[in-house]
Amino acid sequence: QQPVQSPQAVILREGEDAVINCSSSKALYSVHWYRQKHGEAPVFLMILLKGGEQKGHEKISASFNEKKQQSSLYLTASQLSYSGTYFCGTGEYGNKLVFGAGTILRVKS
Amino acid sequence: DAGVTQSPTHLIKTRGQQVTLRCSPISGHKSVSWYQQVLGQGPQFIFQYYEKEERGRGNFPDRFSARQFPNYSSELNVNALLLGDSALYLCASSLGTGGTEAFFGQGTRLTVV
Repeated sequence: QQPVQSPQAVILREGEDAVINCSSSKALYSVHWYRQKHGEAPVFLMILLKGGEQKGHEKISASFNEKKQQSSLYLTASQLSYSGTYFCGTGEYGNKLVFGAGTILRVKS
Repeated sequence: DAGVTQSPTHLIKTRGQQVTLRCSPISGHKSVSWYQQVLGQGPQFIFQYYEKEERGRGNFPDRFSARQFPNYSSELNVNALLLGDSALYLCASSLGTGGTEAFFGQGTRLTVV
């Protein structure tokens, strides 16, 4: 079952912060976050594992609430380059990921 | 280090034809997964292979098949193409089958006419 992302879209000015949420109805083993720009492949941002381990870019932070099957991606001091569609992919077992519908982020100067 | 490479980058096929897409994972990665991404949607899981064995299959018809070779590269085959198969096909490379970062290739844009 596809995870639910919110908001569907957000517009920011440079320097502003944003939070993107991902919620699943199933128990999760991992949550993966990606950013995709138009016409390009998804770029890996962060993986969060059951038990608390995280791996990802230094400037990206995220949280994973295992009990609620929810994850949030925190984008601080946004830059123009942050624009794109953000996807969360939830993993129940293995690296079979089920992706949400995406959150479109636009950063304006 | 080379990333995940996919070929071809673009492809136009006619309904009913067959297509083969190729993927070379990051050096040292033993797992390859295939995803289909339709415009405006998130990627949808098709297959996962690890050490040449199928480890997972998504909700796709039997017209879709894949395999992984001893060098860990992989092919995705689609038979009897339908207009609805038009999409971006993405290959993701990872070290293992679970709890590891998955890195995507640039994708193959398939158009069925």
